[in-house]
Amino acid sequence: DAGVIQSPRHEVTEMGQEVTLRCKPISGHNSLFWYRQTMMRGLELLIYFNNNVPIDDSGMPEDRFSAKMPNASFSTLKIQPSEPRDSAVYFCASSSTSGNTIYFGEGSWLTVV
Amino acid sequence: GQQVMQIPQYQHVQEGEDFTTYCNSSTTLSNIQWYKQRPGGHPVFLIQLVKSGEVKKQKRLTFQFGEAKKNSSLHITATQTTDVGTYFCISPGTYKYIFGTGTRLKVLA
Repeated sequence: DAGVIQSPRHEVTEMGQEVTLRCKPISGHNSLFWYRQTMMRGLELLIYFNNNVPIDDSGMPEDRFSAKMPNASFSTLKIQPSEPRDSAVYFCASSSTSGNTIYFGEGSWLTVV
Repeated sequence: GQQVMQIPQYQHVQEGEDFTTYCNSSTTLSNIQWYKQRPGGHPVFLIQLVKSGEVKKQKRLTFQFGEAKKNSSLHITATQTTDVGTYFCISPGTYKYIFGTGTRLKVLA
C-alpha cells in the first residue's frame, strides 16, 4: 500500500513567491496533519483536519499560511508570500482514528532565498 | 492532546554505551507513543504503551510506562550507529499529535 505522498520533495523559491505543498493521505485515513520542522523549533503541528474539516489551525504561524482539504484524498498547504524564515521541512501525516498511529510522508524540503 | 516534556534534548554516546530518554507529564496520560526519525528522514512509529507499568521490548529497545501513567522512558542497550536519530514521545489526545523537539541521539563509533 502507498504511504502518505507529498510533493514536491524539494523546492527552492525566491522570497515573495507563492509556494504550494501537496499531500495525498493514506486511503481510508480520516485525519490529516501538517507539520513544520526546523532545528530550533522541532516538529510543530500547524493544522489538522478530520473528515476534511479543519479542526485546529492554531499552529499556523500567520496569515501567509493557509491549508485546504477539498476531499479525502488531497490537501494543500500554501504560503503566500514566502519569506526566508519559512525555510523548513514540511511534513504531511495521516491517521485512521484519533489516537491511532500517525504515518508521515517523506516531507517537502523548502528553501526560500 | 496532552503535551509531554522530553529530556534530554541531545545525547552523544559512544557506540556500545546505553542510552535513555525520558518523557514526563504533569497529568495522567491515556497512552503514549514513541517515534524515531532518522537523519534526513521522517518520523516512524515504534510502539504504543497503554497500561500502567507496562514494559515492552523491541530487541535492544525497552519502553516503559510509569505506574502513575505520567512518565515514560525509552532505553537502548549497547547503542549502535543505526540508532542515530531523533526519538519522540507523544500522547495523542483527541485529534492532536504534538511532537516537540524530541531527543536527538548521536552515536560515536
